[in-house]
Amino acid sequence: QVQLVQSGAEVKKPGASVKVSCKASGYTFTSYGISWVRQAPGQGLEWMGWISAYNGNTNYAQKLQGRVTMTTDTSTSTAYMELRSLRSDDTAVYYCARDLRGYQDWGQGTLVTVSS
Amino acid sequence: EIVLTQSPATLSLSPGERATLSCRASQSVSSYLAWYQQKPGQAPRLLIYDASNRATGIPARFSGSGSGTDFTLTISSLEPEDFAVYYCQQRSNWPPAFGPGTKVDIK
Repeated sequence: QVQLVQSGAEVKKPGASVKVSCKASGYTFTSYGISWVRQAPGQGLEWMGWISAYNGNTNYAQKLQGRVTMTTDTSTSTAYMELRSLRSDDTAVYYCARDLRGYQDWGQGTLVTVSS
Repeated sequence: EIVLTQSPATLSLSPGERATLSCRASQSVSSYLAWYQQKPGQAPRLLIYDASNRATGIPARFSGSGSGTDFTLTISSLEPEDFAVYYCQQRSNWPPAFGPGTKVDIK
């Protein structure tokens, strides 16, 4: 079955960077894109961006342009999301999701806490 | 950028009742609309894609309708496990934004 397994929780100081991984299994990794979605505590879902696992093309949310980079490693079927210059309002659970007619499969989420 | 609004913000119903949730887009998204369910501490789950197609494993009590700018998610008879937050998402244009959500809670 399809599984997306994300890396563990992180605590970072303001101004630091974080890199979250999302390891896929159970399907052909390069056949689908991966989207990243975050959710601040008690808030709704915020789309962050998308990467094609086939050719690495990306599309990022305008508000994160310049701070976010999404990459993939096809040899390990893993997607990565790096967010730089972290601020307190980046504190959230970060999800990866397989993009198939909607986000059919989701990772378990990674809590990133930004605090001094 | 397409903006989605969902109504009501909160829907208080009893098990067995019918739930009707609305999602409205600021411009046409054709049928490129999805619905998700999220329970506390869990990742969202895809319920409906392309406005009216149930995702794999989704019970028949969930149905979606609409096209253009107005969409509806209907739960025909609420089960205890259906009390959750529901989000719509448009997939017509970049960015594929989410609506703010509708919380369905127990009356």
